[in-house]
Amino acid sequence: DSGVTQTPKHLITATGQRVTLRCSPRSGDLSVYWYQQSLDQGLQFLIQYYNGEERAKGNILERFSAQQFPDLHSELNLSSLELGDSALYFCASSVGGSDYEQYFGPGTRLTVT
Amino acid sequence: AQSVTQPDIHITVSEGASLELRCNYSYGATPYLFWYVQSPGQGLQLLLKYFSGDTLVQGIKGFEAEFKRSQSSFNLRKPSVHWSDAAEYFCAVSPMDSSYKLIFGSGTRLLVRP
Repeated sequence: DSGVTQTPKHLITATGQRVTLRCSPRSGDLSVYWYQQSLDQGLQFLIQYYNGEERAKGNILERFSAQQFPDLHSELNLSSLELGDSALYFCASSVGGSDYEQYFGPGTRLTVT
Repeated sequence: AQSVTQPDIHITVSEGASLELRCNYSYGATPYLFWYVQSPGQGLQLLLKYFSGDTLVQGIKGFEAEFKRSQSSFNLRKPSVHWSDAAEYFCAVSPMDSSYKLIFGSGTRLLVRP
C-alpha cells in the first residue's frame, strides 16, 4: 500500500459525459501528479500540482482539467468524454521540491461507452 | 525529444533463471532513472532509482540495475526469478527540470514458466 488513495476504482460512463476522479496523496506529500495509461499511448504524464499550484503540464487535453485543494487532495475532471478517453488514470504523489520519488495510487479505470 | 525505449514487449523466463530487462533513453543530459513494476490490477511500485554515484543500484525484491552512460542504458537484472515476479515492468526517466514528471517506456511484460 503506497498510501495514495484514488476513488472511484472503476467508472463506466457514456460519451459526452463529465466525470471527476479524486486522489488523496500520502500524508505530508505536497506534489500530486496525474498519469493516463492506455493501450495505444502507454503511460503518459498529464499534469502536476505542487501545494495547490499547477507546476507542469504534459499531454493533457483541453477537455481535461485538474486542481489541488487546500487539504492537498486533487481532482481530475474529464469532460465531453470520448471512447478514446477510456484508460487507467493514476495519481502519484511526492514530498515535492527536489524529491524525485513518486508513489502511485491503485488507479481509476474509466470506461466510456 | 526525450524518450525511453524498452525493446522487449514480452519476455518469458523459467523460474529460477536469471533476468535482464533492457532500457535505453534518449536525453541531452543524464536524467534521473527509475524502474517500476505493475502487477495485474495494481498501481506502480518503485523498484529502484538512479540519481548519481555508484552505477550499480540495488532495489527491492532482489532487483538491481546498472547505469551505463556510454550506452544510454539502465538495464534491470535479477539473478533468480520467482513466479511472483510475473508482472509488467516500466523504465522511466525524469528530466532535470522543475516538474520532476516521469517519462515512461512502453513496458516489458514478464512471464515466468514454472
